[in-house]
Amino acid sequence: NAGVTQTPKFRVLKTGQSMTLLCAQDMNHEYMYWYRQDPGMGLRLIHYSVGEGTTAKGEVPDGYNVSRLKKQNFLLGLESAAPSQTSVYFCASSYYLLDTQLRKLFFGSGTQLSVL
Amino acid sequence: EDKVVQSPLSLVVHEGDTVTLNCSYEVTNFRSLLWYKQEKKAPTFLFMLTSSGIEKKSGRLSSILDKKELFSILNITATQTGDSAVYLCACISSGSARQLTFGSGTQLTVLP
Repeated sequence: NAGVTQTPKFRVLKTGQSMTLLCAQDMNHEYMYWYRQDPGMGLRLIHYSVGEGTTAKGEVPDGYNVSRLKKQNFLLGLESAAPSQTSVYFCASSYYLLDTQLRKLFFGSGTQLSVL
Repeated sequence: EDKVVQSPLSLVVHEGDTVTLNCSYEVTNFRSLLWYKQEKKAPTFLFMLTSSGIEKKSGRLSSILDKKELFSILNITATQTGDSAVYLCACISSGSARQLTFGSGTQLTVLP
């Protein structure tokens, strides 16, 4: 059982370049999330999805776009990378327990992105 | 705006010491608080706390929630070098999926 898989694990971009990060989960989870983690800032939510074909903005969405065309995949795009987007990016997925509204996140192993 | 504050930001101890990590929160429609351990890579789940006063335990780790004073503590007894990690606290609000707010974490270093 692979869980949550992120690709690539590392990437270096020049300012203005574009790229797409891929997140895939095999747990049939409805909810998927993209976070970024910067030193001393904890995890901040970029975008999230509550099901196939739906996406919504999180805390820090500017400069990013997402798509969830298939339930198992959640893509994060940077159209024109900026040095401020240098960060570690984590994808996560979760189930939803209807009776308690509780969720536990299952995280991918992260993508280290550097924008020069 | 929801807020989760962890203290201390970093902590250095020796093997065998006991440590207490703190997490305070101001969250609208609070439902639960979660603790994660993050070593080099992805955070791994430790505890989920929903009710006040009920201690959760897993080996040398334990945690408790105080919903009146809006805080939680994570205790680690007889620390080992393998406990070195960043410990993250996060709060869940009822409502939309996006309302899970993380603290900035406590960096714990356990020296041999």
